[in-house]
Amino acid sequence: GQNIDQPTEMTATEGAIVQINCTYQTSGFNGLFWYQQHAGEAPTFLSYNVLDGLEEKGRFSSFLSRSKGYSYLLLKELQMKDSASYLCGAGKSTFGDGTTLTVKP
Amino acid sequence: DVKVTQSSRYLVKRTGEKVFLECVQDMDHENMFWYRQDPGLGLRLIYFSYDVKMKEKGDIPEGYSVSREKKERFSLILESASTNQTSMYLCASSLQGGYTFGSGTRLTVV
Repeated sequence: GQNIDQPTEMTATEGAIVQINCTYQTSGFNGLFWYQQHAGEAPTFLSYNVLDGLEEKGRFSSFLSRSKGYSYLLLKELQMKDSASYLCGAGKSTFGDGTTLTVKP
Repeated sequence: DVKVTQSSRYLVKRTGEKVFLECVQDMDHENMFWYRQDPGLGLRLIYFSYDVKMKEKGDIPEGYSVSREKKERFSLILESASTNQTSMYLCASSLQGGYTFGSGTRLTVV
């Protein structure tokens, strides 16, 4: 997506914490989404932030700062199954290219 | 849970064929979307619909059309398939908030 930036790849160790950042520029902001996509599968919805602050959902948390056009996804207690691509999305046609996270033992 | 079903997981079609990709959702969602996903290009919006009989062009509508005759069904049509339309096609629906995606159709045009 041309108006969203997120790192291409990240590597982390099982049991650790990782933060995936996303910066965006979009008109008519209606919230910031995070999706998880395993190789060869469709994206699955993780979180939705419409107000500033941190939303926690189990091992995953998502943060939004609308004034800075910035969000992050925080993954705690990493598991091998968390190896996937993580997509940041703002609006129906604004998606990042995804951050491929590799979790190593 | 919302379920979005795409009729085919894999398709192989010949250049010039007319191709229909079907998508059905079972939760009475108003909004439905068609995307294609290609390496290095991310998700790109082809068409979307906010109601029956309604359709709007997304970012890359050329070579595609859509049909929304019933609320639960949103079809993507490739009028004359070309090799550059080889891609993963994803259908999604939403009410408010996050989208629910179908499992995708990997289309290969030869």
